[in-house]
Amino acid sequence: QQQVKQSPQSLIVQKGGISIINCAYENTAFDYFPWYQQFPGKGPALLIAIRPDVSEKKEGRFTISFNKSAKQFSLHIMDSQPGDSATYFCAASKYPSNTGKLIFGQGTTLQVKP
Amino acid sequence: EPEVTQTPSHQVTQMGQEVILRCVPISNHLYFYWYRQILGQKVEFLVSFYNNEISEKSEIFDDQFSVERPDGSNFTLKIRSTKLEDSAMYFCASRAGQLTQYFGPGTRLTVL
Repeated sequence: QQQVKQSPQSLIVQKGGISIINCAYENTAFDYFPWYQQFPGKGPALLIAIRPDVSEKKEGRFTISFNKSAKQFSLHIMDSQPGDSATYFCAASKYPSNTGKLIFGQGTTLQVKP
Repeated sequence: EPEVTQTPSHQVTQMGQEVILRCVPISNHLYFYWYRQILGQKVEFLVSFYNNEISEKSEIFDDQFSVERPDGSNFTLKIRSTKLEDSAMYFCASRAGQLTQYFGPGTRLTVL
């Protein structure tokens, strides 16, 4: 019930292409879905996040699509760049909460080839 | 821009020894977290801390672990008697009242 499943495990995309990473959750109480980007040797950094009251959120080249009925959400990176090469984690949480702990997916290693 | 800092960046210890990992959260934040990431695996929640007490802990956070906010700025994670399987990257995170959690750069703990 607490799991967040993420796919694919790794992804190779050509520069300028679209990168798509998918996540699925089980707990319908989750109501906050962030994506984190992590470079080697660094901590995760928030990239973009969505609440279930909207089906899509776009920030620059990054878009989250959210399907509440299917309990799935995905990250789309348009015009992928070599600098986007990193590990991406989806996560889920329940708010409001005195904890707000994040449940992370397994991560996707993205490589963007020049 | 304010950031979460962690020290040390790398800690090597012998099995059975005590370690203390230190974090300085962002100054006006109210909620504090520890997560860990075993090499190549996902980030896992350990514990959350609010209003000077633990608000939630995971199954991983057993009696060997403790957290403390000894003053107005530091947030520490203590492992009393380290095991080989405690080897991981430990991340501190903090947030204000809104949703975003900000992560520190992590402490790599190696238990020999």
